[in-house]
Amino acid sequence: AQTVTQSQPEMSVQEAETVTLSCTYDTSESNYYLFWYKQPPSRQMILVIRQEAYKQQNATENRFSVNFQKAAKSFSLKISDSQLGDTAMYFCAFMSPYSGAGSYQLTFGKGTKLSVIP
Amino acid sequence: DAGITQSPRYKITETGRQVTLMCHQTWSHSYMFWYRQDLGHGLRLIYYSAAADITDKGEVPDGYVVSRSKTENFPLTLESATRSQTSVYFCASSESTGVSVEQFFGPGTRLTVL
Repeated sequence: AQTVTQSQPEMSVQEAETVTLSCTYDTSESNYYLFWYKQPPSRQMILVIRQEAYKQQNATENRFSVNFQKAAKSFSLKISDSQLGDTAMYFCAFMSPYSGAGSYQLTFGKGTKLSVIP
Repeated sequence: DAGITQSPRYKITETGRQVTLMCHQTWSHSYMFWYRQDLGHGLRLIYYSAAADITDKGEVPDGYVVSRSKTENFPLTLESATRSQTSVYFCASSESTGVSVEQFFGPGTRLTVL
């Protein structure tokens, strides 16, 4: 079974600064997807960014980028120019669509609570 | 409006009662999922469905029942609610093809079992 570990329960960052959230995972699969989801106080789960394991290029979405290290099984999220609206819980998640029954399910880490300080 | 909705948004019930949480999506996505979110655990999969009339267990299925008679609906039933089932419940849907794998989440239902 896959596991996802987020070792930072809480983090804080000054507005306009850069912050990196860590995520490691364990799998024996070679093809898979990794995701970062944002959960603001509204509780809505919002997809921030996704990475396909077969792509060597790190994914970017505006101020959000990832550092994907496949050999190290590491998938960190960098948020540049942090904004007050970035305050939220951030979840790292794993999916292996090619592993048979139930393969489209997400396995989540426990989350990192990020606070952006004015 | 298109999207994924859950009802009710909040529910308080008593131990031993049956409770059904509803989930409806308008995209005709083939896959639907139920997760529960608890402090210190992130989100954990309860049940999922690959299509109408096809369901399977996830990581924490005990005490829950699901059905999927129509593609757009995926209700979750707690047959005899227990305090340990106090949680926030999220429904999600996905086209789940080799290209489109993203899951889209409903707004969640906060359930309190007294």
